[in-house]
Order: sequence, then structure tokens, then C-alpha cells
Amino acid sequence: QSVLTQPPSVSAAPGQKVTISCSGSRSNIGDNYISWYQQLPGTVPKLLIYETIKRPSGIPDRFSGSKSGTSATLAITGLQTADEADYYCGTWDGSLSAHVFGSGTKVTVL
Amino acid sequence: QLQLQESGPGLVKPSETLSLTCTVSGGPIIISDYYWGWIRQPPGKGLEYIGSSFYTGSASYSPSLRSRVTISVDTSKTQFSLRLSSVTAADTAVYYCARHHHHGWVDSWGQGTLVTVSS
Repeated sequence: QSVLTQPPSVSAAPGQKVTISCSGSRSNIGDNYISWYQQLPGTVPKLLIYETIKRPSGIPDRFSGSKSGTSATLAITGLQTADEADYYCGTWDGSLSAHVFGSGTKVTVL
Repeated sequence: QLQLQESGPGLVKPSETLSLTCTVSGGPIIISDYYWGWIRQPPGKGLEYIGSSFYTGSASYSPSLRSRVTISVDTSKTQFSLRLSSVTAADTAVYYCARHHHHGWVDSWGQGTLVTVSS
């Protein structure tokens, strides 16, 4: 059972927007930076967002991160078929003294 | 370009110890602000943090695995390793070595290696 809770799946038509929530507690999301990862089928996870809102070089601005209290959100605008993947949130948990990942969300482009 | 490459047996018997090594190339293993760690993913399931170590040997582990895990760094060989003892079928997974910032994010991943626990 993951410490961070994500919806199992979200879907939308091409060009639309989806948001993925990541719910935790003060010891993890509340007090620490959030990262987001994209895992295309059969591939290695890729860093999409770090320090809650920053994008690594090469990640389009269609991907954005935010946080409010003990919840974080990844937004994908202008949805493309290439965005079909599993998405994970991650952060440090001060109570566990360990990194934790979310349960993962599958994005489907209708 | 930093590269990480896992190596080790793909099949381990129940109750034995799983041992994997990650070789770091294209960048220094002695680096401040970053930890060297392991993450696994059981078939069809999500990511699970196993643990990580600073190059000095200071390590942290997932509470659920802490009693069975050791992660060590060999700076002379630019490698770090994972040992997971008393494995069961539940430890069958793709194991990734990774580098993560002390603020949490994982910016480099190995290709992953499937380890199956079976007799």
C-alpha cells in the first residue's frame, strides 16, 4: 500500500487537459519537494517535474506541477497520444526517513 | 551523460540473498547533493523505493525492507551495490539503480534488470 495516493486512471480526448492528484500527509508532501515521473509502456521512468514545479531540460511546458497543503497535482495540457503512460509522484517522507512513490496513474488518450 | 548499468543474477532461489551491482559512468560517483539508490517494480505494479546511500556510506532504507537490505558504495570502482537477504517470490521485480537528489527527485535511472525469485 503506497503512502501517496493517486487515482488509478484518468482519460481525456486529444488536445484536452488532464490532472493527476497525489495525496499524502504533512510528513511527505506537506514538508517536501514533489517529483513526477512518466513511464511509457516497457520503458524506464523519466523525470517530468522536480522541486514541485520545475521541468528538466527537454520536458515541454504542457506538463506542469503544483502543490497545496498535503496534495500535489500534475497537469498535462494539449494531450497527445504519446502521453499515454503511467505517471508516478514521489517525495521524501520525514517520518519514514525514506523516499516514497505514489501508487501510479494510467493516462489514456481517448 | 551519466549512465548507470545494473548487473547480477536474474534468478535467485527463495531464502537466498539477492545481490546486484550498479556501475556508474559518464559522471562522478563522489558528488555532493546526490544519493545512489535502488528502486524496484514488480511485474505489472508500481515503483517501490528500496533505499539509497551517499558516497560516504550514509544510507537510508525503506522501513518495510530495512531488516533485509544493505546498500554500499565503492568509490574506487565507481559502483554501488544492493544486497537483499531472505528473498521470497514477492521480491520478484525489475530492479533499477538510480541517482537521486537529496531533495528527492530521481534524475538518472539504469535500464533495469529483472530478478526472479524461484526454485
